Amino acid sequence: SQQGEEDPQALSIQEGENATMNCSYKTSINNLQWYRQNSGRGLVHLILIRSNEREKHSGRLRVTLDTSKKSSSLLITASRAADTASYFCATVPAIQGAQKLVFGQGTRLTINP
Amino acid sequence: NAGVTQTPKFQVLKTGQSMTLQCAQDMNHEYMSWYRQDPGMGLRLIHYSVGAGITDQGEVPNGYNVSRSTTEDFPLRLLSAAPSQTSVYFCASSYTRALTGNGAFFGQGTRLTVV
Repeated sequence: SQQGEEDPQALSIQEGENATMNCSYKTSINNLQWYRQNSGRGLVHLILIRSNEREKHSGRLRVTLDTSKKSSSLLITASRAADTASYFCATVPAIQGAQKLVFGQGTRLTINP
Repeated sequence: NAGVTQTPKFQVLKTGQSMTLQCAQDMNHEYMSWYRQDPGMGLRLIHYSVGAGITDQGEVPNGYNVSRSTTEDFPLRLLSAAPSQTSVYFCASSYTRALTGNGAFFGQGTRLTVV
């Protein structure tokens, strides 16, 4: 079964607005990662946050992690049309020998010009 | 350009046929994996490898075989294709086994249709 659940499944906003996507997961994790997928393309790694970190920034991206609630959020500020894509969270479970990324179902983000 | 290369990009198979999806990376990554992506299901792990000669099953391994004879290559074999294997397949690689570095690099995908 999927480790991560993402919310919302689809999000449509105006260019320049901020976009927030949420991810919940079930088991303890080593780290959590966010990926972007443009239509018909492979996934591109955006940012990684470790289990002992609470917040991380990269350009217009801000990721938070709340391990007590087993949840994370991805904030994209000042959105652009080029940000239109699907966004996935993925976790690396903190289980001995677990060497895999477990993905959520993704959020489809549309930025309207 | 460095990265993960998947071939073919598109493939149509008849039920019962076999084929191999190729995946190669030139970044000297230890870790390689195969996922399938179905609508509404996200990506599900099929098989993965933490180094040459070492492979392990993921979440949905049935109907697929893998081998890792070299660091660079990680082919995925469909033994007897079934319509349920219609999907988009992604190969990914990562520098570290623990996936704690800069995340995974993905290929562009193989869109497979089984009729």
